[in-house]
Amino acid sequence: NAGVTQTPKFQVLKTGQSMTLQCAQDMNHEYMSWYRQDPGMGLRLIHYSVGAGITDQGEVPNGYNVSRSTTEDFPLRLLSAAPSQTSVYFCAAGISGRRGTQYFGPGTRLTVL
Amino acid sequence: EDKVVQSPLSLVVHEGDTVTLNCSYEVTNFRSLLWYKQEKKAPTFLFMLTSSGIEKKSGRLSSILDKKELFSILNITATQTGDSAVYLCAVEAFYNTDKLIFGTGTRLQVFP
Repeated sequence: NAGVTQTPKFQVLKTGQSMTLQCAQDMNHEYMSWYRQDPGMGLRLIHYSVGAGITDQGEVPNGYNVSRSTTEDFPLRLLSAAPSQTSVYFCAAGISGRRGTQYFGPGTRLTVL
Repeated sequence: EDKVVQSPLSLVVHEGDTVTLNCSYEVTNFRSLLWYKQEKKAPTFLFMLTSSGIEKKSGRLSSILDKKELFSILNITATQTGDSAVYLCAVEAFYNTDKLIFGTGTRLQVFP
């Protein structure tokens, strides 16, 4: 069991470029989510999904898109990167309604120049 | 607006010291409070607290919740250098159990 995996680990983009951060889990958990972590801001929820085909917005969704076509994968898309999106991104998976079971991936450090 | 506030922001201690980390919250329809430890990478789960006054304990770490005063504390006794990390507090609300509201964290550094 790999748990939650994220790729890439590091990425540098130029303003206006697009990219997709990948997240996959092999635990068959219904719930998946994306957070960003900035200094002094804690973890903030971007988007989440309670199952395949279902997504919803979190606290800071602007500039990001998600889709959930399978239980295993939950990619996060940046359509036009901005320097304000420089952050560390964490994907998490867990059992919906039981937050204590949420498992985090290792994170992706994104820098937008 | 729901919010979670942690204090202190950072703490520097020597091995063997005991530390207390604080988490206060203002959340409508509180359901649970969670503590995580974050070292260099992903946060890892420590405790989930739902009831007031019941201490959760794991080795040298313990935590308790006060739902009347709206806060929780995380105690670490006989600290070790391996306890150095950022400790995150998060709150879950009944109206949307799929969203966790995180505090900014307390950075603990333990020196030998």
